[in-house]
Amino acid sequence: AQKVTQAQTEISVVEKEDVTLDCVYETRDTTYYLFWYKQPPSGELVFLIRRNSFDEQNEISGRYSWNFQKSTSSFNFTITASQVVDSAVYFCALNGNTDKLIFGTGTRLQVFP
Amino acid sequence: DAGVTQSPTHLIKTRGQHVTLRCSPISGHKSVSWYQQVLGQGPQFIFQYYEKEERGRGNFPDRFSARQFPNYSSELNVNALLLGDSALYLCASSGMLNEQFFGPGTRLTVL
Repeated sequence: AQKVTQAQTEISVVEKEDVTLDCVYETRDTTYYLFWYKQPPSGELVFLIRRNSFDEQNEISGRYSWNFQKSTSSFNFTITASQVVDSAVYFCALNGNTDKLIFGTGTRLQVFP
Repeated sequence: DAGVTQSPTHLIKTRGQHVTLRCSPISGHKSVSWYQQVLGQGPQFIFQYYEKEERGRGNFPDRFSARQFPNYSSELNVNALLLGDSALYLCASSGMLNEQFFGPGTRLTVL
């Protein structure tokens, strides 16, 4: 069975703080993909990153960085120097041998000025 | 290039009615997937279509059906609506790299 767990339901920070969103996944597939999406209040899911199971290099994109650790089945997402515009619900998702995405329950991030 | 488009944006129906939701994928993408997102939860997979063929189906009742047209646009149909069908319905299109790009969604309210 495939499963994605986002244990943090809601996180509140003050602007300029760093924040890490946790994601733990389960899969028996040897080849799989992990994703992060951002869902602002408008509802649209915004694609942030895709990582395949053979690439464990961490990735940085501006204030965003991702830490993929196969040994702990985790794919964590860090926002550095958070801004109010980062306020949204963030979803981690898994895609294995099928083409469907398995989503976690999401983490609501609130950044206060 | 235009992103994924969905229509309508919002829809209000009553129990027992049926509804048709529409989706146009990103130009060049041949695969369309449908997801249901109930308030406070993550999206749940309903269907995937590729080249007009159904490639996958989630754990949804037969009241849910879909199809894909030669231009790769897609329709999701839901019959005999229930209150529990109230949700945001998301369409995603994907190309060769497996990345799924989502549309703005259709918010369905069943009264």
